[in-house]
Order: sequence, then structure tokens, then C-alpha cells
Amino acid sequence: EIVLTQSPATLSLSPGERATLSCRASQRVSSYLAWYQQKPGQAPRLLIYEASNRATGIPARFSGSGSGTDFTLTISSLEPEDFAVYYCQQRNNWPITFGQGTRLEIK
Amino acid sequence: QVQLVESGGGVVQPGRSLRLSCAASGFTFSTYAMHWVRQAPGKGLEWVAVMSLDGTNKYYAESVKGRFTISRDNSKNTLYLEMNSLRAEDTAMYYCARDLSKLRFCDYWGQGTLVTVSS
Repeated sequence: EIVLTQSPATLSLSPGERATLSCRASQRVSSYLAWYQQKPGQAPRLLIYEASNRATGIPARFSGSGSGTDFTLTISSLEPEDFAVYYCQQRNNWPITFGQGTRLEIK
Repeated sequence: QVQLVESGGGVVQPGRSLRLSCAASGFTFSTYAMHWVRQAPGKGLEWVAVMSLDGTNKYYAESVKGRFTISRDNSKNTLYLEMNSLRAEDTAMYYCARDLSKLRFCDYWGQGTLVTVSS
């Protein structure tokens, strides 16, 4: 099973700042990685798929990069609605696995 | 618009069974693979199972293999998860999700149904 390790566990930033979230895979996953956002009491929302493709309706301030084992989600300028938990997910190997999440909180 | 509505959750004793349903609308259900993903209270996401668009291929997480069965009825636009031999560690919110064009990422999610396994 591929283990995805997200860092940091918690990221404290202010609106307007740049956020950089990391996801490291225990084996190479090519570009088969996605990022999701989840707010309290809500279902997850797909942000990025195949490492760098924005999903439908996702603002341009969200971007993804990386391949192989190291991936990054960047939010260029934080909006108040961006404070949430973010998960990465790989689909290169069965079973599909998620990272443990990064909580992005308001500083 | 795409809608996924889960139902069937509740409180169940360990060792008993439960069947979850997910009613889909707003898209051609028979042309998409579908997933179940769960989230224990206060924890992260755990992928549970996926079924191909025609039902011929199914994959499961090791933690549920042999106990859970994913199925679908394309004539009713409905996805199911039959859960047997339930354990306390199966307690979670269960989400159904649509597969993004066979890429095995989940582009639309329901709001979930809560399963609590407790005596």
C-alpha cells in the first residue's frame, strides 16, 4: 500500500498570504495524484487532479505541482474561505489511498 | 446538476449488517464508475471501494474486503454498499462519489450517511 505523508499537519497563515502544502508518497505514483479540500460538516471537494489540473470551477489561485513522490499544493493568496483541511490522494496503485490531511488555519 | 444522496445509515450492533444506498441524478449514471469513501469521526478520509460503470470490475480496501460488497443498479441510478460483520472501527460517515472520467479521482461527492457500530 502506498502511504502518503502530508506536511505540515497544521499550517497557520493570514488571509492574503501564500500557502504551500506538501504530499510525499512512499513509492512513485507518476502524476496520479489529486488534492481535495474539506470544510467542517461538508463533503470533500476535488481541487486538483493528475497533480496539476484544476477541477471544474476551482479558482486559479489553487495550483498543483510535482511528480513521482513529491507533490505540492499552492494557494497563491489566501481567501477567508480557503481555511479548511486538505487531503492528497493517489490512484497509481491499488488500493487508492489518502494522506492524513493538512489543516490550514487562520493565524 | 450532479446530485448524490446517500441513505441507509444508522446505529447497528457489532456483527450485524447494513446496506447503504446512493441515489444519483443530473448525469448519465451508467457511464461513470462510482466510489465509496468513509471518514471516521474526527479522522481523515479512507477509500472503501470502487465499481466500474458496468459493474464488471470492483476493488476494495483491505480493511473491508470479504465483508463489504459494492453493487449498482443502472436502471435505478443507484449505487449500493452491503456491509456485513460490522465492527466498531467501521463507524464513520460514508460518502459515495463519482469517478472523474475513469481517472479514479472523485469529482462529485454526496453529503454522506453516518454509520455507528455500537452495542
